Amino acid sequence: QKEVEQNSGPLSVPEGAIASLNCTYSDRGSQSFFWYRQYSGKSPELIMFIYSNGDKEDGRFTAQLNKASQYVSLLIRDSQPSDSATYLCAVNIISGGFKTIFGAGTRLFVKA
Amino acid sequence: DGGITQSPKYLFRKEGQNVTLSCEQNLNHDAMYWYRQDPGQGLRLIYYSQIVNDFQKGDIAEGYSVSREKKESFPLTVTSAQKNPTAFYLCASSLTSVPDTQYFGPGTRLTVL
Repeated sequence: QKEVEQNSGPLSVPEGAIASLNCTYSDRGSQSFFWYRQYSGKSPELIMFIYSNGDKEDGRFTAQLNKASQYVSLLIRDSQPSDSATYLCAVNIISGGFKTIFGAGTRLFVKA
Repeated sequence: DGGITQSPKYLFRKEGQNVTLSCEQNLNHDAMYWYRQDPGQGLRLIYYSQIVNDFQKGDIAEGYSVSREKKESFPLTVTSAQKNPTAFYLCASSLTSVPDTQYFGPGTRLTVL
């Protein structure tokens, strides 16, 4: 089992819809969770981080964390064509020493 | 402007050559990291440094070397021992040395001719 798993996609949604991106992780010692957006040929840029169970909202983005289920998700409301990118989930763990594990990413296409 | 810079943006290497990728940050961050990204794959950690004059191997350190002589700088050398170096290389930094939010530079795309 991979330490951080994401559906590779592509996930295709129409403009204005809600895009739901999911990520599961294997280490129960995981402490903090991040979502990055990466446009083709560019470097990842941070969208959100979340540390506590529940929801965290920032504009059109909502991160959801469920540590019991080892699951973190990102919802994008009112999706725009400019949201089309690869979304990387990253998990910081401290058991066994410092480590940040990145998922392989989910490609999102927002159709105009 | 505060941020992380990487140079060059594109780099071509001949077989058997060593090349050095530059990474500089003016964010006063303690920790710096090097990742490699291959198509369709996640980021894999090559080396990281939590403090000046100290660095640790990541998951795929073979064929790479680093130095951290200054807080602002963390250059990566891709040696001839790295058999498949063609990839997108990303440098990142974080404020503290404990697991923390990482911010990325623009990346260097290395191609072996």
